[in-house]
Amino acid sequence: TQLLEQSPQFLSIQEGENLTVYCNSSSVFSSLQWYRQEPGEGPVLLVTVVTGGEVKKLKRLTFQFGDARKDSSLHITAAQPGDTGLYLCAGDFGGAQKLVFGQGTRLTINP
Amino acid sequence: SQTIHQWPATLVQPVGSPLSLECTVEGTSNPNLYWYRQAAGRGLQLLFYSVGIGQISSEVPQNLSASRPQDRQFILSSKKLLLSDSGFYLCAWTGGGFYEQYFGPGTRLTVT
Repeated sequence: TQLLEQSPQFLSIQEGENLTVYCNSSSVFSSLQWYRQEPGEGPVLLVTVVTGGEVKKLKRLTFQFGDARKDSSLHITAAQPGDTGLYLCAGDFGGAQKLVFGQGTRLTINP
Repeated sequence: SQTIHQWPATLVQPVGSPLSLECTVEGTSNPNLYWYRQAAGRGLQLLFYSVGIGQISSEVPQNLSASRPQDRQFILSSKKLLLSDSGFYLCAWTGGGFYEQYFGPGTRLTVT
């Protein structure tokens, strides 16, 4: 059974600080995705990474895929209260037509 | 553009009562469809997925069932609800080659 471990589970920081969230597995991903979810709503896709070593940027968010395609990180620069939410990583291990989700990181940015 | 609908938005049901949640997708054909359950702001537990009409894969043995009577319709059912069935139920469809998921607004189910 493929598992995704996210860390930290909870993170509360002040506005303007930087942060990194990690997503790790013992298995190789075909692709990995990051989602953000606000309370009472469905998750929204932020990015998909496919190639080992790949880096993608979305405004103040930087997503990195590990060289071995077993891990990923999400870095937020100068966090803002609007970044508050549950961040989920999800992996496609190839051929299964489904994703495995991590348990999420609950991020709170305090003004 | 594609749109996904779920209803009802909220539901309060007594233990032992039946359940039917519906999900429909517009603007695409032959999507993969998924039912997830989420507890208390944590990760998503995949319950069922379907790659076509009448094709259902079950991920977790429990008192829930799913059906796909039409290409863009996915239904989650139970004959008798348990307290442990409470949670936030999300439907999703796949639009990309890497199984990127597009989620509906969810149904908040409380079993009392």
